[in-house]
Amino acid sequence: AQSVTQLDSQVPVFEEAPVELRCNYSSSVSVYLFWYVQYPNQGLQLLLKYLSGSTLVKGINGFEAEFNKSQTSFHLRKPSVHISDTAEYFCAVSPLSSGSARQLTFGSGTQLTVLP
Amino acid sequence: EADIYQTPRYLVIGTGKKITLECSQTMGHDKMYWYQQDPGMELHLIHYSYGVNSTEKGDLSSESTVSRIRTEHFPLTLESARPSHTSQYLCASSVLTGAYEQYFGPGTRLTVT
Repeated sequence: AQSVTQLDSQVPVFEEAPVELRCNYSSSVSVYLFWYVQYPNQGLQLLLKYLSGSTLVKGINGFEAEFNKSQTSFHLRKPSVHISDTAEYFCAVSPLSSGSARQLTFGSGTQLTVLP
Repeated sequence: EADIYQTPRYLVIGTGKKITLECSQTMGHDKMYWYQQDPGMELHLIHYSYGVNSTEKGDLSSESTVSRIRTEHFPLTLESARPSHTSQYLCASSVLTGAYEQYFGPGTRLTVT
């Protein structure tokens, strides 16, 4: 089984400042890793994903994330945020094993609020 | 354009009513999912399907039922709505193989009074 912990439920940050949203996971098998964003009254949109290869992954809207296997972390970063980045961000994992066990497990989310 | 659709977006209904939440996708995906999400909370998988005539229960026990008669359609039904069913319901789809990246619809916000 997998579990995902998003360490901060709310992150307020001023516009044009950098931000890091933290995600740690626990799993007995290797996993794929994802970050999703949810704007108010909308569904989830994929920001980026780590499948294999380079541990630094670039996504949409200027976001990037770094996979750290030894620390079982997948933190999301953006060097300069905009008001439009205000949203809920979800970290998720999926085991590499095939079959019905390969479901997404989500963290509880981090509300990013960008202040003017 | 390939997309995933949910109707209605918002629904307010009285206790005891039967409701069906619609989900359709033009992504060409075989696998579909229903999640329940309370405000400010994580998503919980309540149902999923591998394809036509396949339905499975997810991690969170739910009184709802689903059907998959057509590949592109995955409706969720509550036979008798209760206030405890008040929540947001998100539908998603994915390919059967690969990284299982899921694509989400806009959600249905259900309020049972």
